[in-house]
Amino acid sequence: AIQLTQSPSSLSASVGDRVTITCRASQDISVDLGWYQQKPGKAPKVLIYAASSLESGVPSRFSGRGSGTDFTLTISSLQPEDFGTYFCLQDHSYPVTFGPGTTVDFK
Amino acid sequence: VQLQESGPRLVKPSETLSLTCTVSDGSIGGYKWTWIRQPPGRGPEWLGNIHHRGETNYNPSLKGRVTLSVDTSKNLLFLKMTSVTATDTAVYYCARGINWGWFDPWGQGTLVIVSS
Repeated sequence: AIQLTQSPSSLSASVGDRVTITCRASQDISVDLGWYQQKPGKAPKVLIYAASSLESGVPSRFSGRGSGTDFTLTISSLQPEDFGTYFCLQDHSYPVTFGPGTTVDFK
Repeated sequence: VQLQESGPRLVKPSETLSLTCTVSDGSIGGYKWTWIRQPPGRGPEWLGNIHHRGETNYNPSLKGRVTLSVDTSKNLLFLKMTSVTATDTAVYYCARGINWGWFDPWGQGTLVIVSS
């Protein structure tokens, strides 16, 4: 199975900060990667798919980059509603796997 | 499209967990219908998917305990997991997927507790 690692595992930031989360795959997954936000008690919500495509309705402060094995999710100006846990996910090959998550909270 | 999971909240160890996902306001055709679970306080785990024609893919970590099926006439998806243990306690989600890491929407999830 393809392993996904994420860094950092958690971060504290202030409103307006630029935040970057990294996801690394154990092998080449092309651009078959999505980024998800999850809030407590809720299902994950897709933010980015195909590594860099912004899901409809998602604010433009979210952006994704990368291909192959290295990917990033950037929040250009952190907003109060952006707290939560962020996961990367790959479906390049089965089984579909998730990163361990990055928890974002506020200073 | 909206998804809604349903099924028993409590299942006894060694028994079979059965869940249904109702697909509303959309067609089942053309997508990979996916089951994902999330144990309390942990990350999500992909269980498997089923295409509308019935082709399935499963997570090998489940060692053949999971069977997915679909009733296209009623827009229903089914999950069966045999020989459950306490480690199968989780929130179970159904979700619609295609490719490129895209899964949307997800159901609200249903908590299943395995306990005697």
